[in-house]
Amino acid sequence: QSVLTQPPSVSAASGQKVTISCSGSSSNIGNNYVCWYQQLPGTAPKLLIYDNNKRPSGIPDRFSGSKSGTSATLGITGLQTGDEADYYCGTWDSSLSAGVFGGGTKLTVL
Amino acid sequence: QVQLVESGGGVVQPGRSLRLSCAASGFTFSNYGMHWVRQAPGKGLEWVAVILYDGSDEYYADSVKGRLTISRDNSKNTLYLQMNSLRGDDTAVYYCAKGDYSGYDGGIDYWGQGTLVTVSS
Repeated sequence: QSVLTQPPSVSAASGQKVTISCSGSSSNIGNNYVCWYQQLPGTAPKLLIYDNNKRPSGIPDRFSGSKSGTSATLGITGLQTGDEADYYCGTWDSSLSAGVFGGGTKLTVL
Repeated sequence: QVQLVESGGGVVQPGRSLRLSCAASGFTFSNYGMHWVRQAPGKGLEWVAVILYDGSDEYYADSVKGRLTISRDNSKNTLYLQMNSLRGDDTAVYYCAKGDYSGYDGGIDYWGQGTLVTVSS
């Protein structure tokens, strides 16, 4: 059971938009920055979003992040087949004094 | 460019030990906190441990506390994970990961390619 809760799977048609939620508590999302990671099949994770809503250089603006209270959301617009991957949210938990991840969400582009 | 190259994985019997290494390059290693994250086959990411930029403090997941130890040698730009009393549920790909600042509670901005540890008799 992960500390952060994500839907196991989401799907949307090519070219459409999808959102992935990440729910936590005041000890993690509520008081710390959230990151989002993309893991393509058979590869290492890659940073997509940091500090809740910032994109590293090279990440297209089709990817966006937001945070409200104890929840965070990843948005992806203009879906492409190459976006099919597992997506994870992550942050620090100040009560556990530990890093925490969501269980991951598998994105399928129809 | 940032490179993180893990080594030391393999097959090990339950109860035995293993040490993983991670060679870092492309950034000033001694300025950043460093993490280990693992992923069991077919499962999600599990954070394992973090060490501060100067090695002065470490934090661990409850599942590994007392058995796994993170350390670093800033003179060699190398991160380590000493794994003792290994169990079957330690079987996973272990990723070395760079923190985004010197401390322990920031995000991860770069990941290595991972090294597989299989605990089996």
